[in-house]
Amino acid sequence: GQNIDQPTEMTATEGAIVQINCTYQTSGFNGLFWYQQHAGEAPTFLSYNVLDGLEEKGRFSSFLSRSKGYSYLLLKELQMKDSASYLCAVRDPGDYKLSFGAGTTVTVRA
Amino acid sequence: SAVISQKPSRDICQRGTSLTIQCQVDSQVTMMFWYRQQPGQSLTLIATANQGSEATYESGFVIDKFPISRPNLTFSTLTVSNMSPEDSSIYLCSVDFGETQYFGPGTRLLVL
Repeated sequence: GQNIDQPTEMTATEGAIVQINCTYQTSGFNGLFWYQQHAGEAPTFLSYNVLDGLEEKGRFSSFLSRSKGYSYLLLKELQMKDSASYLCAVRDPGDYKLSFGAGTTVTVRA
Repeated sequence: SAVISQKPSRDICQRGTSLTIQCQVDSQVTMMFWYRQQPGQSLTLIATANQGSEATYESGFVIDKFPISRPNLTFSTLTVSNMSPEDSSIYLCSVDFGETQYFGPGTRLLVL
């Protein structure tokens, strides 16, 4: 089965940094995705990691350690518009299905 | 990236009726997926709809309740049949394209 864990909520101040952790135990692995979802909207793709290491995209970075079953999403220079739910998802190697964590709601305060 | 559109964007339906949701992609894709997101929850996969084969349903979802069509590489439909208030949810299609999965804007369904 698939077990993907991430914190339920996080709060941070505008301009600060927040790190959202995701741990997974899955029957297979073909990449880990991070999505951002604002209330009432569809998920928006943020990052994809399939090899160990850090991927940086502007203010957002994502890290993967396959041996530890661990990833994190790092949000720097937080802005109010970053208040959203962040979803961690693991892709199955056989049929490319995504299994999602429950999501982390990030609230950015002024 | 792939651009995905869905119709309708939202609907309010009476219990016992059925609604068909359409998903259109601007590129040819083999793998297409249908997800459900119930209020306050994460995404749950309903089925995988690959062109040229029958849809594959996840545990807890059956073809009689959620029939799917995939007539070509750019289009799919999901029907929510004999609806009940428990089917109130956001329904999303997604495609696997260029090593990434993209989501459509979703269909917000309210069943009264």
